[in-house]
Amino acid sequence: GQQLNQSPQSMFIQEGEDVSMNCTSSSIFNTWLWYKQDPGEGPVLLIALYKAGELTSNGRLTAQFGITRKDSFLNISASIPSDVGIYFCAGSGSGNTGKLIFGQGTTLQVKP
Amino acid sequence: DVKVTQSSRYLVKRTGEKVFLECVQDMDHENMFWYRQDPGLGLRLIYFSYDVKMKEKGDIPEGYSVSREKKERFSLILESASTNQTSMYLCASSRDRGVYGYTFGSGTRLTVV
Repeated sequence: GQQLNQSPQSMFIQEGEDVSMNCTSSSIFNTWLWYKQDPGEGPVLLIALYKAGELTSNGRLTAQFGITRKDSFLNISASIPSDVGIYFCAGSGSGNTGKLIFGQGTTLQVKP
Repeated sequence: DVKVTQSSRYLVKRTGEKVFLECVQDMDHENMFWYRQDPGLGLRLIYFSYDVKMKEKGDIPEGYSVSREKKERFSLILESASTNQTSMYLCASSRDRGVYGYTFGSGTRLTVV
């Protein structure tokens, strides 16, 4: 099945550092979503983006819908230990099939 | 608080057993999905359903079947469990064809021995 290319696969950073991760696709998407999965839990929606160029923030998190509609990035500023988890991007293309396509995930570890 | 509830957090089953994973949502969502999650492979879609008694194969349906007799309940069935089906299983639901994203359950970690 089709997947998004999400990078990096994993990150190990110091508390207080900023984090950046991104997703790219060979197809155009109409919706980009970013999820976080805490250890042992299901993914939870962080940010949803619906327009090319859109920049949306949620606290220390900022995400952007790429102008080409083929990419998106997520930034986390001033990381804290509870940011630990797996971050997934997801996209929805044309045709309104209702199926999201997920990236492979970025595992984030934060050293206090 | 809206919820997707998976009946078991942890399950251990023997090879060859028939396994049922249950998922219930209380949001009156039309769409429901089953994924499995394995390290390095992300989320892989097993089956999904857009309506009661309707089902469609995802990317990795082999060895699985599903049942959706009621709108709120979507069951994943492992007809004859095998060790390569040891995984984390995630159920999700959505409205409006997923434009606003999915709501996930907490997952069932299945170990087949």
